[in-house]
Amino acid sequence: EAGVTQFPSHSVIEKGQTVTLRCDPISGHDNLYWYRRVMGKEIKFLLHFVKESKQDESGMPNNRFLAERTGGTYSTLKVQPAELEDSGVYFCASSQDRGGYTFGSGTRLTVV
Amino acid sequence: AQSVTQLGSHVSVSEGALVLLRCNYSSSVPPYLFWYVQYPNQGLQLLLKYTTGATLVKGINGFEAEFKKSETSFHLTKPSAHMSDAAEYFCAVGETSNQFYFGTGTSLTVIP
Repeated sequence: EAGVTQFPSHSVIEKGQTVTLRCDPISGHDNLYWYRRVMGKEIKFLLHFVKESKQDESGMPNNRFLAERTGGTYSTLKVQPAELEDSGVYFCASSQDRGGYTFGSGTRLTVV
Repeated sequence: AQSVTQLGSHVSVSEGALVLLRCNYSSSVPPYLFWYVQYPNQGLQLLLKYTTGATLVKGINGFEAEFKKSETSFHLTKPSAHMSDAAEYFCAVGETSNQFYFGTGTSLTVIP
């Protein structure tokens, strides 16, 4: 079984630019989550999809962040325009039940 | 909201020694509890989980954790550390929602 795949693994962009992160969950997993870890801090929840619907987006920092999940399959997280404080590692996870997530390897975003 | 405290951002143990990583949480309801491990340049991997039933939970790679409701703790232990255990460990707590709350992580160093 293929795991959760995230693209790109690293991204370095300038302040004010746009970046799009992609997550491919495990096939058949209805639940997809985005989390973020800012340097040295805890991993924080951003949002949760059930299929193509946003179940909970209470963790999204502001309206510069836009998440979509096309047809209940892969998901994208767009940051526009990026700010310095957006730097961190963005994790995607998927699950079929509440027994624990399967995480991707993360995208390390650096905004300079 | 939940808070998860991992005492000690860095822990060093000698190879063969006991590993003890501490995790305390704030919750008024029985939680779902998890430990994840992140090896360098990899994603978060589930070590073990507690949902219901036996409070002593065994995970992969010889790790185990015990849920102590009275102490609101879920400490991770391993009797004998291996060099390959060097990684960052995260405690996570989930409630009735699908949102998990993570601790800030503990980086484990194993000294030969």
